[in-house]
Amino acid sequence: ETGVTQSPTHLIKTRGQQVTLRCSSQSGHNTVSWYQQALGQGPQFIFQYYREEENGRGNFPPRFSGLQFPNYSSELNVNALELDDSALYLCASSLRTKQETQYFGPGTRLLVL
Amino acid sequence: GDSVTQMEGPVTLSEEAFLTINCTYTATGYPSLFWYVQYPGEGLQLLLKATKADDKGSNKGFEATYRKETTSFHLEKGSVQVSDSAVYFCALSPSIQGAQKLVFGQGTRLTINP
Repeated sequence: ETGVTQSPTHLIKTRGQQVTLRCSSQSGHNTVSWYQQALGQGPQFIFQYYREEENGRGNFPPRFSGLQFPNYSSELNVNALELDDSALYLCASSLRTKQETQYFGPGTRLLVL
Repeated sequence: GDSVTQMEGPVTLSEEAFLTINCTYTATGYPSLFWYVQYPGEGLQLLLKATKADDKGSNKGFEATYRKETTSFHLEKGSVQVSDSAVYFCALSPSIQGAQKLVFGQGTRLTINP
């Protein structure tokens, strides 16, 4: 069974640029969630995708957007990068039931200069 | 809204000491509760979970009991090892319908000295 994978592992961008982060979900999982973890903080929920549609969103502006593909993999896109977007971005996959556990990938560390 | 509060760290203990990391939550209904662990340079790993009141989650010598009367889910281990050094996150998943989002505490950094 393959776990959650993310790419790239590290990324450096400058303010105003756009970035795309990728996530492959664990085998058999149909739901993908994205979280932002600032340094020294707990992860914050960005949004979740199920059946290729956004299925809930946290307190993040519209410049954070995503996609889910038929194979359940997902992308997180961030436009007009700001310095405060520097963080570890975590992807988690799960099955679409109320109490199912989410399994996390290793994350992509984004630095915005 | 839903929230999780963890005891502030960092926490430093000697090997074989008893560990308690406090966690309390605020939520409507009956959330599921989790402890995740993050080792240096890695993502989050599920340590244990409990889905209803009085449930006890356990794994690798760690335990936590879902206490609805005190809205708590404290993490305990009887004898810690150097390899337990990591950041520990308490989290809840709301019981209402909709996205299965996780709400995390701020994390507690644990260092175990030999």
